[in-house]
Amino acid sequence: GAVVSQHPSWVICKSGTSVKIECRSLDFQATTMFWYRQFPKQSLMLMATSNEGSKATYEQGVEKDKFLINHASLTLSTLTVTSAHPEDSSFYICSASPRGNTEAFFGQGTRLTVV
Amino acid sequence: AQSVTQPDIHITVSEGASLELRCNYSYGATPYLFWYVQSPGQGLQLLLKYFSGDTLVQGIKGFEAEFKRSQSSFNLRKPSVHWSDAAEYFCAVAPQTGTASKLTFGTGTRLQVTL
Repeated sequence: GAVVSQHPSWVICKSGTSVKIECRSLDFQATTMFWYRQFPKQSLMLMATSNEGSKATYEQGVEKDKFLINHASLTLSTLTVTSAHPEDSSFYICSASPRGNTEAFFGQGTRLTVV
Repeated sequence: AQSVTQPDIHITVSEGASLELRCNYSYGATPYLFWYVQSPGQGLQLLLKYFSGDTLVQGIKGFEAEFKRSQSSFNLRKPSVHWSDAAEYFCAVAPQTGTASKLTFGTGTRLQVTL
């Protein structure tokens, strides 16, 4: 199956700093990737759709200036949490699908802790 | 708006016993339907999916699910649970008119297996 890799697996940062999370499709090209957020013991909520070569589409209630998404190539999307605060601490997961494939492949997730 | 309901937050079964996890969805039309499993701190693994055709779907690890249009349900079953099945299970839907990667998740059911 297709492989999606996320980096880092976990990160601890100080309040006020920015953190970048990478999502790579290792063996396929993905024109679209998705970013989800998962609070402890809760479900995954879609944050945004990352589109290669164009602006991301954010879900209602997600601050686009806080969660910057860049999809610069067909195999890489990045999520940057800017000016992170403790309430941004969460588990962030990305997903992608090969062109024409109807299954989503997920990264391993990134545990962000803001102190 | 579409929604997915998993009525059981937490289920405990004995090893070797049968399992059924419930999932109901609310959607304008029949969506794509999925079941994912998540181990602690990990990404998601697809167990099975339903797009069309036979309403009884076989998946990995001995799981199966049955789509019932009249009940808007897609319940997950396993005849004999193994201790390694302890995890969080998510039901998810995606629109048939768009990409199957853009998922709406249920709240999840945590499965505990007793020996």
